[in-house]
Amino acid sequence: DTAVSQTPKYLVTQMGNDKSIKCEQNLGHDTMYWYKQDSKKFLKIMFSYNNKELIINETVPNRFSPKSPDKAHLNLHINSLELGDSAVYFCASSPRFRGRTGELFFGEGSRLTVL
Amino acid sequence: EDQVTQSPEALRLQEGESSSLNCSYTVSGLRGLFWYRQDPGKGPEFLFTLYSAGEEKEKERLKATLTKKESFLHITAPKPEDSATYLCAVQGIYAGGTSYGKLTFGQGTILTVHP
Repeated sequence: DTAVSQTPKYLVTQMGNDKSIKCEQNLGHDTMYWYKQDSKKFLKIMFSYNNKELIINETVPNRFSPKSPDKAHLNLHINSLELGDSAVYFCASSPRFRGRTGELFFGEGSRLTVL
Repeated sequence: EDQVTQSPEALRLQEGESSSLNCSYTVSGLRGLFWYRQDPGKGPEFLFTLYSAGEEKEKERLKATLTKKESFLHITAPKPEDSATYLCAVQGIYAGGTSYGKLTFGQGTILTVHP
């Protein structure tokens, strides 16, 4: 049973297109995240949702729009894709108990390539 | 702004050859320091949380330690299956309690253990 699953695993698309990535977790966590890992392997937080409410938005272009229909799902929609959006996007979740919010459970990643 | 620097960038060891990975950090207030392991094509996997200077955590051949400025991941008698990228991350204390899962990651150390 996969704890955090995201689809698709690979996306290859042209500049200017729109794409979506879906994420689901079955861990019962309240908090979910989108992280971006660039070509140099740095992981950077993009968004955080706690119980469907946006709590962190890290200066991400408004072409990126997260949506959380319920606390087990967090999707990411990207409009007007640019070359610089090429990266691996990771969904993650964490318990909300004090002291454990940094224990992230990551999905396997969605590799986006913009041509 | 929180910063994390890991060294070395890559480390090659023979099976059984013990060594250490370094993580230097700056953060205004430390809520926690985290170590993750990432295998190729996978999401990071949580290993340890350290909360205060002097704390140590162990898991099999891995031992993590923390000072006020850096953390070490000691690997004792490594095996080929320990080969992976090891990521260090810090979680700061922010006003308003919005640090949920907002981790600042280092670029990682790629560990290769040869049989």
